[in-house]
Amino acid sequence: GDSVTQTEGLVTLTKGLPVMLNCTYQTTYSPFLFWYVQHLNEAPKLLLKSSTDNKRTEHQGFYATLHKSSSSFHLQKSSVQLSDSALYFCALEGKLIFGQGTKLSIKP
Amino acid sequence: EAAVTQSPRNKVAVTGGKVTLSCNQTNNHNNMYWYRQDTGHGLRLIHYSYGAGSTEKGDIPDGYKASRPSQENFSLILELATPSQTSVYFCASGDANTEVFFGKGTRLTVV
Repeated sequence: GDSVTQTEGLVTLTKGLPVMLNCTYQTTYSPFLFWYVQHLNEAPKLLLKSSTDNKRTEHQGFYATLHKSSSSFHLQKSSVQLSDSALYFCALEGKLIFGQGTKLSIKP
Repeated sequence: EAAVTQSPRNKVAVTGGKVTLSCNQTNNHNNMYWYRQDTGHGLRLIHYSYGAGSTEKGDIPDGYKASRPSQENFSLILELATPSQTSVYFCASGDANTEVFFGKGTRLTVV
């Protein structure tokens, strides 16, 4: 069946450094991928989405490129801020399945 | 912005009791979802619906039932609550290949 895998449970970084959060997926359908962000005690909100192969999509300084050849949709940012501390979920359209999530913790 | 309202926001239930979590959306979305969120497990899909009268099993449906009596309402029912069902439950609504909108969550404690 369909699945989404996020390999990092916790990523801790110092402010100003770059970050990449991994997301790979399995599906038999044409994939539509999402990244959601959840700040403490809030509901998840959409960060960005894509269904176009090899096209970079960006929002709020974050970016990701869907690579169908490697079934990946990694989330990146060139310089993290304290406000980026949150839970990040990768999700696959269909039943809307979420990965286990990556907690991003930014230190001053 | 799209609105998804969950009730109650907090609930303490006794083991073996029946619990109903309610969700209402005013977005006219076809799809609605119920997830539970536990530390280390992310968001796990319990049940979902593609429209009024339809319900589908998600990845962890055991111990849960769902009901979609109208476009706007989607309920999650725990007929015999157990302590293992203590969790935060999120309802969401959306249409295919578009953003889904989440409610603020229901914190359920089964004692």
